[in-house]
Amino acid sequence: AQKVIQVWSTTSRQEGEKLTLDCSYKTSQVLYHLFWYKHLLSGEMVLLIRQMPSTIAIERSGRYSVVFQKSRKSISLVISTLQPDDSGKYFCALWEHPSNTDKVVFGTGTRLQVSP
Amino acid sequence: ETAVFQTPNYHVTQVGNEVSFNCKQTLGHDTMYWYKQDSKKLLKIMFSYNNKQLIVNETVPRRFSPQSSDKAHLNLRIKSVEPEDSAVYLCASSLNRGRSYEQYFGPGTRLTVL
Repeated sequence: AQKVIQVWSTTSRQEGEKLTLDCSYKTSQVLYHLFWYKHLLSGEMVLLIRQMPSTIAIERSGRYSVVFQKSRKSISLVISTLQPDDSGKYFCALWEHPSNTDKVVFGTGTRLQVSP
Repeated sequence: ETAVFQTPNYHVTQVGNEVSFNCKQTLGHDTMYWYKQDSKKLLKIMFSYNNKQLIVNETVPRRFSPQSSDKAHLNLRIKSVEPEDSAVYLCASSLNRGRSYEQYFGPGTRLTVL
């Protein structure tokens, strides 16, 4: 069963709009971290947000924020004032602690296309 | 069911040894990648391989080398491991064709260097 679920595989918006990307996750651990990454066509993976259940630690601020609903096991990425450069693929990911693998589990990603 | 397969799941070795990690994708994708996941969960791209063109991140030490027999396979060899090589190595594949774009990650290989 998938641990990290991103329902939308692709979406498109106009420049200037606000976007919410949904992600739900499954875990029985008390301690875990959640991440949002942006994948660029160059292959680079940029860490946007790191979220812990009790606090918010934002790796990238500015136009990125999250709506974290711990009881629903949901973390949505919100991008305000979209720009064409925001186009790319966004991955939600989960790291559980303790973990004997230390591996981050990724969702399948949501592709965003922003039109001028 | 994952469509990007990595072996082994874990590997423990000693400094100076050679290791090799395998990655295979069954999605028909045309590009494959290797990433190193550090302790802060930052993903650093090491290599990408597309239609026999290799793109290397210049900060990757020369003891790391990718090996590809075809577009479905991209292995990673580390010639003489060092302690700082301990990390999770993630393989991924992607297909970018017109309006369609997919990318999937493998489950990762955890390397521990003693």
